[in-house]
Amino acid sequence: SQELEQSPQSLIVQEGKNLTINCTSSKTLYGLYWYKQKYGEGLIFLMMLQKGGEEKSHEKITAKLDEKKQQSSLHITASQPSHAGIYLCGAVSGGGADGLTFGKGTHLIIQP
Amino acid sequence: DAGVIQSPRHEVTEMGQEVTLRCKPISGHDYLFWYRQTMMRGLELLIYFNNNVPIDDSGMPEDRFSAKMPNASFSTLKIQPSEPRDSAVYFCATSTNNQPQHFGDGTRLSIL
Repeated sequence: SQELEQSPQSLIVQEGKNLTINCTSSKTLYGLYWYKQKYGEGLIFLMMLQKGGEEKSHEKITAKLDEKKQQSSLHITASQPSHAGIYLCGAVSGGGADGLTFGKGTHLIIQP
Repeated sequence: DAGVIQSPRHEVTEMGQEVTLRCKPISGHDYLFWYRQTMMRGLELLIYFNNNVPIDDSGMPEDRFSAKMPNASFSTLKIQPSEPRDSAVYFCATSTNNQPQHFGDGTRLSIL
């Protein structure tokens, strides 16, 4: 079965600083999803990557999927308090619309 | 647009009792997923449906867990009898056409 390892597990960043979260898969990624979760709430979809080398951006968040499709990174530029939360990467194990396998998450704290 | 609606938001009950969690998918979404989130194991897929038919229930922990989707507008996840180790946050998510899954706010279940 596919496993996703996220690093770091937790991150404390001063407001305004940049940061990167990584997600490494034990198998080739057919689709990689990034979600954000605020404590006590559901998951909010951020971005989906499917092609090796693909890069997507939304506001100050950029996600990339490496060429070999086994690792993805999420980069936040000029972090803000609103970026605080848990970031989860999720992947489909095959080419279909299966349920997602998730990493354990990265807890992000933004210090003012 | 109404999102995925889960009820109840919180449930506290004694072990041995039957627990029923409910989910109303986004209209038009033909895939429905049930996940469980715990500190130890993270977010795990329990079961998913396509067009109301269960496709993969390999994540259902044991026979005490059952899920149904009697129509396109409603799904239930039932635990009978409940045990303290079932305490977790249970999420329902729905999607269509290989689009990202949309998550409900979850049900926080505590079994005493």
